Amino acid sequence: DIQMTQSPSSLSASVGDRVTITCRASQGIRGDLGWYQQTPGKAPKALIYGASRLHPGVPSRFSGSGSGTEYTLTISSLQPEDFATYYCAQYNSYPRTFGPGTKVHI
Amino acid sequence: EVQLVESGGGLVQPGGSLRLSCAASGFSFTTYWMDWVRQAPGKGLEWVANINQDGRVKYYLDSVRGRFTISRDNAGNSLYLQLNTLTSEDTAVYFCTRQLDYWGQGVLVTVSS
Repeated sequence: DIQMTQSPSSLSASVGDRVTITCRASQGIRGDLGWYQQTPGKAPKALIYGASRLHPGVPSRFSGSGSGTEYTLTISSLQPEDFATYYCAQYNSYPRTFGPGTKVHI
Repeated sequence: EVQLVESGGGLVQPGGSLRLSCAASGFSFTTYWMDWVRQAPGKGLEWVANINQDGRVKYYLDSVRGRFTISRDNAGNSLYLQLNTLTSEDTAVYFCTRQLDYWGQGVLVTVSS
């Protein structure tokens, strides 16, 4: 199985901050990576697919990059509604696997 | 608008069974793979299973293979997950997803005596 790790596990930030979250895969996943946002009690929402492609309707302050085994999610200017937990997931092979999450809090 | 609405969750005793359903609308259901993902209380996301467009190809998480069965009814735009031989480790919110890009609101399955 491909193991996914994320760093940091949590971070404290303020509105307007630039935030970067890193996701690493235990082996190359050829860009088959998505990023998801989840607020408490809600379903995850897809932000990024294919490592860098913005899901329809997602604000442009979100961006993704990376290749091989290392990927990043960047929020260029944090907004109040962005305080949430963020997960990466690989869909290059089975089983699909998720990172443990990064909680972004005030 | 893509909508995925799960149902069928509840409280079940260890060793028991449950069938989850997911009603899909707002997209061409027969065009997409469909997945189930679960989230234990206070924990992260865990992929469970998926099924291809015509229902002939299925993949499972090792820990559920042989106990859970994913299926779909393309005529009725519905996805299912049959859960058998449940244990407390299966307690979670189960999400129906369209290839991980659109998600339902989830349904809670609690396995407890």
